[in-house]
Amino acid sequence: EAQVTQNPRYLITVTGKKLTVTCSQNMNHEYMSWYRQDPGLGLRQIYYSMNVEVTDKGDVPEGYKVSRKEKRNFPLILESPSPNQTSLYFCASSSPPRGVPEAFFGQGTRLTVV
Amino acid sequence: AQSVTQLGSHVSVSEGALVLLRCNYSSSVPPYLFWYVQYPNQGLQLLLKYTSAATLVKGINGFEAEFKKSETSFHLTKPSAHMSDAAEYFCAVSERGANSKLTFGKGITLSVRP
Repeated sequence: EAQVTQNPRYLITVTGKKLTVTCSQNMNHEYMSWYRQDPGLGLRQIYYSMNVEVTDKGDVPEGYKVSRKEKRNFPLILESPSPNQTSLYFCASSSPPRGVPEAFFGQGTRLTVV
Repeated sequence: AQSVTQLGSHVSVSEGALVLLRCNYSSSVPPYLFWYVQYPNQGLQLLLKYTSAATLVKGINGFEAEFKKSETSFHLTKPSAHMSDAAEYFCAVSERGANSKLTFGKGITLSVRP
C-alpha cells in the first residue's frame, strides 16, 4: 500500500530537549516536504527536499532542520524546541517536480512543547 | 507568488443540502489546483485536482470543482451533504514548472446538521 509514515503520532517534550520526527515513504517519490498546521493559518511549509542531499527552506524554517540521506526518509529535527513550535506536523511526498505535484500526506504528529 | 484565499472559517449545512466551499487563487502562471479533506485526527486526503484538462473536475465522495480562469476560482461543490462530509477542507495551488510546492488556504470547517 502506498503510504507516508510518520512517527511518533503524539509527542510531549520540554523546552530545549532535542527531538526528531521521522518520515518515510514507499512510493519512490523524489519530492518530500514538511508542513505545520496551526488553527486559522492552514498548512505552512517548513522545509522541502527535491531529491537525496537536496533540501531547501520553506516558508517557516526557523528552529527546524532536515536531512535527506536516503530517498525514502526525510526526518524533521528540532534541536532546541520552544513552546511556539507546539503544532500539528505533516510530512508529504509527491511525484517528480515536472509532473503534477499531487501530495500524499502522513497521519500527522501532534507535538506539545512545555 | 502563488496564494490561496478561502473566505470564512466555518460553513454549516443541513444534511441533503448543497455544499459550496469557495476558493480563489493567485498565480503568475497556469496553476495546478487541489482540494484536500482532513477528517478528525487524520492526515490530508486528496479530493480532486485540476491539471488543465476538463475545467469541471469530479472527485471522490461526490464532490466536484470547476476551474474558472476569469474569476481565478476553484469552488468545491456537492449536491447533497452527508453527515460523513463533516471535516476540514483545504484548497491548494501549485505553479507549473515550480518545485512542487503546494500553497494552502487556511481551510474551512464543514459542519453537517441532521
